[in-house]
Amino acid sequence: DADVTQTPRNRITKTGKRIMLECSQTKGHDRMYWYRQDPGLGLRLIYYSFDVKDINKGEISDGYSVSRQAQAKFSLSLESAIPNQTALYFCATSDKEDQPQHFGDGTRLSIL
Amino acid sequence: GESVGLHLPTLSVQEGDNSIINCAYSNSASDYFIWYKQESGKGPQFIIDIRSNMDKRQGQRVTVLLNKTVKHLSLQIAATQPGDSAVYFCAEISWSKLTFGTGTRLQVTL
Repeated sequence: DADVTQTPRNRITKTGKRIMLECSQTKGHDRMYWYRQDPGLGLRLIYYSFDVKDINKGEISDGYSVSRQAQAKFSLSLESAIPNQTALYFCATSDKEDQPQHFGDGTRLSIL
Repeated sequence: GESVGLHLPTLSVQEGDNSIINCAYSNSASDYFIWYKQESGKGPQFIIDIRSNMDKRQGQRVTVLLNKTVKHLSLQIAATQPGDSAVYFCAEISWSKLTFGTGTRLQVTL
């Protein structure tokens, strides 16, 4: 979905490095989400935000932090990357609680 | 290559046949359900949704059925095409949180 843009699309880095993944959206949605996808486990929620001043932990927030810089921007940081954080990361947006979430095309992150 | 879904259940269907993908959900309080399609190298793409006050909803070539008694959701794809090959996820929403199933890989054979 071109309305939700994630950068970078691919990143390889070393253990202990700080990493930031960026997400921007042009849909005008208040709600934004970060998910992690591992083989055979579906998508798991890391953090979510319902507006600029709202940040909430998801199912697997340990080792991650987020920043909601504006309605359109939501970034995910790994302060000190470790190999088991190697995964696909997806950002999503939604308008309201009972509306579908719209996903970006993901960031493939590899930590060596 | 694509690392998503290495250990997923797989459904093989011949082109032109109908596909039925099933999903069991866990939370009886969930009131909104979504089916997503994920192609290689892409994010999940919305297909169809259904609310808990409905049993059935139809879209273009797709139908979703909801059985709240047994907490079961299914996605039916009519006249399956090669472009339908992908991983399909059901998702349930409860208390504003979306919970995904592990997914099913649909392979369309010619």
